[in-house]
Amino acid sequence: DTEVTQTPKHLVMGMTNKKSLKCEQHMGHRAMYWYKQKAKKPPELMFVYSYEKLSINESVPSRFSPECPNSSLLNLHLHALQPEDSALYLCASSQGRGRDYSNQPQHFGDGTRLSIL
Amino acid sequence: KQEVTQIPAALSVPEGENLVLNCSFTDSAIYNLQWFRQDPGKGLTSLLLIQSSQREQTSGRLNASLDKSSGRSTLYIAASQPGDSATYLCAVIYPKLIFGTGTRLQVFP
Repeated sequence: DTEVTQTPKHLVMGMTNKKSLKCEQHMGHRAMYWYKQKAKKPPELMFVYSYEKLSINESVPSRFSPECPNSSLLNLHLHALQPEDSALYLCASSQGRGRDYSNQPQHFGDGTRLSIL
Repeated sequence: KQEVTQIPAALSVPEGENLVLNCSFTDSAIYNLQWFRQDPGKGLTSLLLIQSSQREQTSGRLNASLDKSSGRSTLYIAASQPGDSATYLCAVIYPKLIFGTGTRLQVFP
């Protein structure tokens, strides 16, 4: 069983809907990440939170809005998505803060498979 | 711009073979390198993390080596089993993770 829990496992939504993806970890990690993975492609980094503060935004469109309400939770709010946003969304966490997270392994959840109609 | 490539893209072998998966990166100024496996429709499972100052790491039947100067890492899998079937991804920490293209491994009985 993974130590990073993502809900829901599957999500189908229309382009006008608003939904949220949730990620939770209880390993005491202080860095959390969102990745997007298209079919047969490697994951691509979207956002990094370090100590509940957004430290990296990889020029992600504003229809994706991350939120880190506390050290254990990471949300990704979705609004007005496009069909090309259909993908597997992965959450990860690691110890450390700021650039120090680079020395620690990242632990991934099983992802949320998102389909946009 | 850092680019990470994995060879071969796919591999199908009989059970019991020893395997070598290759990972190459274009910029040697990496922090660390991490190997993952991904089962179909699942997230990533961390296998090994090699610090930039290390040459190799071992975990059970897995051994990963790192040669920063030549921009290469290899993952050695000893005595492969059908349960090893998955996609294997290497990622350089730069400091963010940049993933390779993956090797899809199938081990048949």
